[in-house]
Amino acid sequence: AQTVTQSQPEMSVQEAETVTLSCTYDTSENNYYLFWYKQPPSRQMILVIRQEAYKQQNATENRFSVNFQKAAKSFSLKISDSQLGDTAMYFCAFMKQEDNAGNNRKLIWGLGTSLAVNP
Amino acid sequence: KAGVTQTPRYLIKTRGQQVTLSCSPISGHRSVSWYQQTPGQGLQFLFEYFSETQRNKGNFPGRFSGRQFSNSRSEMNVSTLELGDSALYLCASSLDLADYYGYTFGSGTRLTVV
Repeated sequence: AQTVTQSQPEMSVQEAETVTLSCTYDTSENNYYLFWYKQPPSRQMILVIRQEAYKQQNATENRFSVNFQKAAKSFSLKISDSQLGDTAMYFCAFMKQEDNAGNNRKLIWGLGTSLAVNP
Repeated sequence: KAGVTQTPRYLIKTRGQQVTLSCSPISGHRSVSWYQQTPGQGLQFLFEYFSETQRNKGNFPGRFSGRQFSNSRSEMNVSTLELGDSALYLCASSLDLADYYGYTFGSGTRLTVV
């Protein structure tokens, strides 16, 4: 069974600085996807960034980038130039690639990291 | 376009009652998934529907059920409510079962069982 571990329950960073959130996962699968989601107080889960396991190149979305280390099963999120609006819970999630019938398709989640961006 | 809409936003129910939650996916999305979020267990998969059929189911008791309509809207039902069912229930939609670009989530329904 797959598991996702986020070892930092809480983190804080000063506005405009850079912060890295850690995520490790355990799987015997070779084809899968990794995601970082953000959940602000509004409760809506928002997709931040996505990585396909078969791609060696790290994904980047504006101020957000990942460090994907497949052999080490590590998937950290770096937030550059932190903004007050980045304050939220951040969840790392894993999904195994299934056949197109989607059997057993589901997200496996870490317990989250609460990030506070301080002015 | 409109996002994923979940109704109601909040619910308070008594133990033993039943509850129905609703989810309208993004227009054109045909797959709807449900997740339960609690402080202790985190996020756990409940089930996924596609073309009005349940395709996947998580490890929840039979009291948790769902369905999907021809317009892709989905409902989930919890019968004989227990205190432990208090949670945020999140609905997510995707294009289809081969869509791995990441789900789009609604804002959830906060269920409190007293």
